[in-house]
Amino acid sequence: AQTVTQSQPEMSVQEAETVTLSCTYDTSESDYYLFWYKQPPSRQMILVIRQEAYKQQNATENRFSVNFQKAAKSFSLKISDSQLGDAAMYFCACQGTDSWGKLQFGAGTQVVVTP
Amino acid sequence: DAGITQSPRHKVTETGTPVTLRCHQTENHRYMYWYRQDPGHGLRLIHYSYGVKDTDKGEVSDGYSVSRSKTEDFLLTLESATSSQTSVYFCATSPGLAARDEQYFGPGTRLTVT
Repeated sequence: AQTVTQSQPEMSVQEAETVTLSCTYDTSESDYYLFWYKQPPSRQMILVIRQEAYKQQNATENRFSVNFQKAAKSFSLKISDSQLGDAAMYFCACQGTDSWGKLQFGAGTQVVVTP
Repeated sequence: DAGITQSPRHKVTETGTPVTLRCHQTENHRYMYWYRQDPGHGLRLIHYSYGVKDTDKGEVSDGYSVSRSKTEDFLLTLESATSSQTSVYFCATSPGLAARDEQYFGPGTRLTVT
């Protein structure tokens, strides 16, 4: 089983600036995957980025990157050059290979982008 | 994007009535999921299916049942709706090839139980 904690209910950032969203997790499994999903006001859930726990290299997708600290069980998301379209709820999630099908989500962080 | 539709998109019902939500996919994905989303809780897994007639419970399965008679359809039933089941319900699918698979989400159903 996994638990995922997002301690920041809301983060505000100005356009073109950088914001970092925190996520910590706990799992008893040795092999697992971590995800960040975005939910804009349309309510549609969209995968932002994915990290394999066995890979030391941090994943990046354009302006989105993660800082994966396996020993600390930390998985933060950095949004660079923030745009108005980045305004959304962001969810951190974890899935173990032994508990395949049971994706565990955090409570979410609302990102507000100001012009 | 995976073709995932949910019906109805909005529903208001009274306490004690049965409710069935439908999820339909056109991607031939093996895995299908039902989540509920509530403020402060993120998305919580209700039930999931790993094949036709193969289902398993999630974190918050009490008061819910599911059925999957065809690959493309996954039904969520509230046998006797309660006010605590007022929520936004999301269906999702994944290919079921590996644990790293992305889940693809439907547009959600807003259910209000009065």
